[in-house]
Amino acid sequence: GESVGLHLPTLSVQEGDNSIINCAYSNSASDYFIWYKQESGKGPQFIIDIRSNMDKRQGQRVTVLLNKTVKHLSLQIAATQPGDSAVYFCAENNDYKLSFGAGTTVTVRA
Amino acid sequence: DAGITQSPRHKVTETGTPVTLRCHQTENHRYMYWYRQDPGHGLRLIHYSYGVKDTDKGEVSDGYSVSRSKTEDFLLTLESATSSQTSVYFCAISEGQGQQTQYFGPGTRLLVL
Repeated sequence: GESVGLHLPTLSVQEGDNSIINCAYSNSASDYFIWYKQESGKGPQFIIDIRSNMDKRQGQRVTVLLNKTVKHLSLQIAATQPGDSAVYFCAENNDYKLSFGAGTTVTVRA
Repeated sequence: DAGITQSPRHKVTETGTPVTLRCHQTENHRYMYWYRQDPGHGLRLIHYSYGVKDTDKGEVSDGYSVSRSKTEDFLLTLESATSSQTSVYFCAISEGQGQQTQYFGPGTRLLVL
């Protein structure tokens, strides 16, 4: 089975609210994690990454949190906008390969 | 899409015919990858390349072959297409392996009838 999974397949959020997308991974040896955003009909787009020696990293309107104790990764999007509607994937690197979860579909309500 | 193009973007073919998909990059990255994306499966690695003429199999390589004769081009061939190979195919590139981000192309939607 897949080593990376997302807790919820869908997430509906009100415009302007913060979004939190969760991801669980099973391989404690994974040392690098990436969040991707995929809009309909397009390829996955890099959002933010984090290495296993960190527990938090911030980008523009996004924050990734890594909890290695419980093997959990989350992506926080501040002030969610309509353009944030997409499928979000987490990916983990282990043994020089990326493994992807099935994704969470985020829908932003006006 | 990080200087990555894929061609064709859409293709319809018949079972048993050969199909070649092309990935072209302008970033001079060493590593190139082919993935397929299917509902409920996420992205699955088919083959990857770590240099010109250097390739290796991924988790779903059966029925696929690849070639890389130039740094910028990575070809994926379905020798005899089957309906189970109907999918969206993505090419990705990275500078290295390990803790390296992979950047994806726009994808090729393939329908095998």
